[in-house]
Amino acid sequence: DAEITQSPRHKITETGRQVTLACHQTWNHNNMFWYRQDLGHGLRLIHYSYGVQDTNKGEVSDGYSVSRSNTEDLPLTLESAASSQTSVYFCASSEGQFFGELFFGEGSRLTVL
Amino acid sequence: KQEVTQIPAALSVPEGENLVLNCSFTDSAIYNLQWFRQDPGKGLTSLLLIQSSQREQTSGRLNASLDKSSGRSTLYIAASQPGDSATYLCAVRPVDSSYKLIFGSGTRLLVRP
Repeated sequence: DAEITQSPRHKITETGRQVTLACHQTWNHNNMFWYRQDLGHGLRLIHYSYGVQDTNKGEVSDGYSVSRSNTEDLPLTLESAASSQTSVYFCASSEGQFFGELFFGEGSRLTVL
Repeated sequence: KQEVTQIPAALSVPEGENLVLNCSFTDSAIYNLQWFRQDPGKGLTSLLLIQSSQREQTSGRLNASLDKSSGRSTLYIAASQPGDSATYLCAVRPVDSSYKLIFGSGTRLLVRP
């Protein structure tokens, strides 16, 4: 079955360290997204991509970056982790820019000490 | 600015009951609306996607309706089971910012045996 996998599922890091969260999907979807989920804020979009070499900022992109070198992967990098970036991060993908169903990974729980 | 509201925030019902979860949104200019289920510590599982031109979608014991003009959607769960216990989220894809979904804060459902 096609799926979307995230790694690591849990990570603890220190303030100032660089962290990369991996996302890999086997649906061959063009569109990929990164969201963060926080109590009181719900799900918020960090970055998204409509295809290889395309990346765009979402509503909470400061301190994060992504790159899209192939269809299957969209890694999320925290350049210098901050305590405010402690959160659960979800990767998602869809086919069809406006009408496609969105599918989510299992999430990566990041704690920044 | 599009806002999505889900009422009630929490719901507890005995097993076997039919129940309705509500979702309202402030701007009717949407491409589609999607219902998700989230179990504790897990990712979001897509339940139903309703395009703006559709009135309802059905999958097994689930039926979702959409009244775009009034800004409302309902998720009907027939013959509820303890395994239905989870948080249910609705999300809309706005026409003016189609790259992202706007999520409600969810309804936490407990089905008691």
